[in-house]
Amino acid sequence: QVQLQESGPGLVKPSQTLSLTCTVSGGSISTAGYYWSWIRQHPGRGLEWIGYIYYSGNTHYNPSLKSRVTISVDTTTNQFSLKMTSATAADTAVYYCAREDSYGTRSFDYWGQGTLVTVSS
Amino acid sequence: QSALTQPASVSGSPGQSMTISCTGTSSDVGGYNLISWYQQHPGKAPELIIYEGTKRPSGVSNRFSGSKSGNTASLTISGLQAEDEAHYHCCSYAGRSTLVFGGGTKLTVL
Repeated sequence: QVQLQESGPGLVKPSQTLSLTCTVSGGSISTAGYYWSWIRQHPGRGLEWIGYIYYSGNTHYNPSLKSRVTISVDTTTNQFSLKMTSATAADTAVYYCAREDSYGTRSFDYWGQGTLVTVSS
Repeated sequence: QSALTQPASVSGSPGQSMTISCTGTSSDVGGYNLISWYQQHPGKAPELIIYEGTKRPSGVSNRFSGSKSGNTASLTISGLQAEDEAHYHCCSYAGRSTLVFGGGTKLTVL
């Protein structure tokens, strides 16, 4: 059973960089056929796809966030990470990491529990 | 890339059927059969209940079904139960390796 767990600061100051890590257990992040994704949910609102990374390092980002987002992977620790620069209050949200099937279904079958990040001084 | 359109809320009585719509464009919902639906209970992570528009993952109740017509995808829940009260989110492939979600729908079981 694959499990994902987000970790990182719950409070980020405006203009600083928001950084989160997702640790994958119960399976290898290097398994072919899966994208490792970040998704966020603003308070009381819907989900927003941020982007994904393949174990090879290939990435794709939401065009609306692309200029501020970097997703990286460390296959030796079975982790992938999110960095979002120039954080503002609009980035306050619950951030989820998830596994996406890249071989056609393009659906998210495993999710982390989510972590709330508040951007405030 | 605009969010897909879902009704903010729907409600129904136990035993009834309920359909939640998810409207996009020919660049996302209408262009691909890569629609997924997620159920999210309060304080919990979303869970996959429908993928590729109509398919259910193992373990998901057959009371959940999906369909699509043109630029609108739909999730139907038959025989509503109290445990179905949750938020429901649709998601579609939108080309160029991007995905787009809907705004989410809160289902209340009266």
